[in-house]
Amino acid sequence: KAGVTQTPRYLIKTRGQQVTLSCSPISGHRSVSWYQQTPGQGLQFLFEYFSETQRNKGNFPGRFSGRQFSNSRSEMNVSTLELGDSALYLCASSLLDSGNTIYFGEGSWLTVV
Amino acid sequence: QKEVEQDPGPLSVPEGAIVSLNCTYSNSAFQYFMWYRQYSRKGPELLMYTYSSGNKEDGRFTAQVDKSSKYISLFIRDSQPSDSATYLCAMTPGGSEKLVFGKGTKLTVNP
Repeated sequence: KAGVTQTPRYLIKTRGQQVTLSCSPISGHRSVSWYQQTPGQGLQFLFEYFSETQRNKGNFPGRFSGRQFSNSRSEMNVSTLELGDSALYLCASSLLDSGNTIYFGEGSWLTVV
Repeated sequence: QKEVEQDPGPLSVPEGAIVSLNCTYSNSAFQYFMWYRQYSRKGPELLMYTYSSGNKEDGRFTAQVDKSSKYISLFIRDSQPSDSATYLCAMTPGGSEKLVFGKGTKLTVNP
């Protein structure tokens, strides 16, 4: 059974640009969430989607957005990139009704220069 | 006060040692508790998941939850060099994927 798949794995962007990251959840999982991981702040929740609807949102500026498609795949977008957005962006998926067994992908490493 | 506190270490032990990793939390709404292992430049891997207070064992790993003290632990028996990683505790009230993580403890097991 394939795990959570994230693309691209590594990318470098320039300050002011935007970026789109993609996530394919585990087959059958309908809940997808995104996290940002930095050395200083650790893992922080960005947002969560279930059946194409945003269920929860973390404390991040509006430059961070996401969406979920009918096949449960998800994308997140960061606009007007800042140097501080350099981080590992992690996608996670779960059945939601499985008692919260939440599985993570390998992440997308974003460097903003 | 942070919702979840975890000693960042680093923690260095000899092979075969028993390792104890701990987290405390302040939000009594947390009902589900998880431990993840994260190798360098990899995503977090789910190790243990617990709901009720008490112990849960899986091979060399034991997760312990004490809701009255708001304290969770992960014990690793007969530690191996391959256990060298960062260990993250995470918790949630349930019903969503919004996890609150500790900062992680970096563990090194020396052969």
